[in-house]
Amino acid sequence: SQQGEEDPQALSIQEGENATMNCSYKTSINNLQWYRQNSGRGLVHLILIRSNEREKHSGRLRVTLDTSKKSSSLLITASRAADTASYFCATDDQTGANNLFFGTGTRLTVIP
Amino acid sequence: SQTIHQWPATLVQPVGSPLSLECTVEGTSNPNLYWYRQAAGRGLQLLFYSVGIGQISSEVPQNLSASRPQDRQFILSSKKLLLSDSGFYLCAWSRVTYEQYFGPGTRLTVT
Repeated sequence: SQQGEEDPQALSIQEGENATMNCSYKTSINNLQWYRQNSGRGLVHLILIRSNEREKHSGRLRVTLDTSKKSSSLLITASRAADTASYFCATDDQTGANNLFFGTGTRLTVIP
Repeated sequence: SQTIHQWPATLVQPVGSPLSLECTVEGTSNPNLYWYRQAAGRGLQLLFYSVGIGQISSEVPQNLSASRPQDRQFILSSKKLLLSDSGFYLCAWSRVTYEQYFGPGTRLTVT
């Protein structure tokens, strides 16, 4: 299966701390994306990193990609209670149809 | 700007009844369209995708079907619902590549 796997499955931290989530996948990719989902809502795109990139930043988000290990990490710095959500990584299928395969997600809880 | 709509937001249907979920996109033309299902506490499973009117591809064999009667309309249907069809259904659109934009979802409970 091409589906990614995130770990940990759940993470609970204090406000102000950093949160790191990891994603592993199985096949070659063109890009890897991270999405956020608030409970009972649709997903929101956070950041995309291409296969030829190793690190990317967007605000308080930092994403790394290691294609040799088929893994990625998402770091959220100086977390806030509003960051509480589930975070998913998604990889493409390289068919050109832009299909994405999502992991099972990390449930992040930021305690005020 | 682009907007994606899904309705209904919640739905409770008995086993064996039909289903029709609708998704529409505004503000863009010829989008790729996707239907996903999310089981409780799980990731998303791609059900169908469409790169144009009348062009539907299915990722997994199932009790559901999809149609795209207009450029920005994507419909998910079933003739007879099963208990296992319960879940959170999400529609998404994208341009040719990369980021997908999701609707608010429909919570389906089959009883």
